Amino acid sequence: DVKVTQSSRYLVKRTGEKVFLECVQDMDHENMFWYRQDPGLGLRLIYFSYDVKMKEKGDIPEGYSVSREKKERFSLILESASTNQTSMYLCASRKGGLTDTQYFGPGTRLTVL
Amino acid sequence: AQTVTQSQPEMSVQEAETVTLSCTYDTSESDYYLFWYKQPPSRQMILVIRQEAYKQQNATENRFSVNFQKAAKSFSLKISDSQLGDAAMYFCAYKSQGAQKLVFGQGTRLTINP
Repeated sequence: DVKVTQSSRYLVKRTGEKVFLECVQDMDHENMFWYRQDPGLGLRLIYFSYDVKMKEKGDIPEGYSVSREKKERFSLILESASTNQTSMYLCASRKGGLTDTQYFGPGTRLTVL
Repeated sequence: AQTVTQSQPEMSVQEAETVTLSCTYDTSESDYYLFWYKQPPSRQMILVIRQEAYKQQNATENRFSVNFQKAAKSFSLKISDSQLGDAAMYFCAYKSQGAQKLVFGQGTRLTINP
């Protein structure tokens, strides 16, 4: 079974703090994704990576950066957290085939005070 | 850019009944893929069913089936014999043939009444 794990289920940070969200997958997937999930808005793509050290902006990259130094790990960084970044963050991974399934992590619920 | 719309924020159904969740999408492409994902409360999102646009036959997975209307750009999910474990958020998603990323709808929260 594919496993996508995220470093924290719940996280509380203060405005202005630097926040790291970690995601690890164990199935040698090329592609990894970071989404944020907000009620009524569905899932919106923040960034994705199709290879080590490669990244592409998604639909809402402002205020976020990412790092992928190893194939299995994809980190989302909030350089200076703000209250409007309070959300559920979902990581996902998939191989590169056209119909390959995208697997999700359990999510991190981040609250910025 | 492609968009996916789920117009039903919430739905409810009696246990053992059938329910249909709606999804429409906007695209100018002819080859693409459509998905329904399920997110149970406090649990990981999982794939329910997928449909390749070039296939005319509607996909089915046990109690789950889709009604894919390519010309109308509609992709609804039918759940037959609803069970309590079907209660979840359901997301419709679109993927272009050449792309890696998915575009998601807003989600529909499904409640199953015992």
